[in-house]
Amino acid sequence: DAKTTQPTSMDCAEGRAANLPCNHSTISGNEYVYWYRQIHSQGPQYIIHGLKNNETNEMASLIITEDRKSSTLILPHATLRDTAVYYCIVRVVGSGNTPLVFGKGTRLSVIA
Amino acid sequence: GAGVSQSPSNKVTEKGKDVELRCDPISGHTALYWYRQSLGQGLEFLIYFQGNSAPDKSGLPSDRFSAERTGGSVSTLTIQRTQQEDSAVYLCASILQSSGANVLTFGAGSRLTVL
Repeated sequence: DAKTTQPTSMDCAEGRAANLPCNHSTISGNEYVYWYRQIHSQGPQYIIHGLKNNETNEMASLIITEDRKSSTLILPHATLRDTAVYYCIVRVVGSGNTPLVFGKGTRLSVIA
Repeated sequence: GAGVSQSPSNKVTEKGKDVELRCDPISGHTALYWYRQSLGQGLEFLIYFQGNSAPDKSGLPSDRFSAERTGGSVSTLTIQRTQQEDSAVYLCASILQSSGANVLTFGAGSRLTVL
């Protein structure tokens, strides 16, 4: 799986959009971008994934650059409950022979 | 079941004792992971079971750690002769490994404290 780079921490004001960047410059053509988050004292939770088109679901939007070397997770209206560590992972869909490894992620603090 | 179930949720043990942690994955999920998370640290991969294949044990920190998955479902992580540095939250996750998305579903974890 390609390596990802994320900022260690970010702050966001409550009600504003939180934009979390991820660099994955060595991503290959068949690797998807996945985002998970871990709220304090809970197990990680899947958020969204995408290949090359922008994706949106009830939790967030994922914007992937045209060259696929970076992406941004957008929480449109951050709330205090969105305070968590956010992990960006790249991985081939359906790859069953290698474990899914998490990096250090970005610690997002939503401030009232 | 509806989600990944782990037990016990909390375990306090004395140094040198053996402990067993259990994971019930989502029914039908073909792959199962164990991770460890020490206080303030990231997720550390431990072991990975995929169908009938031999497990990937590359993340186990020492030979005191072992895991098995019986009948392709329930998994048990065993830590022998526990040490204080084994104190952590042990997280289990399962996934339906198919042509679909690699979406892991995590349990709430088992918090282990070694005194």
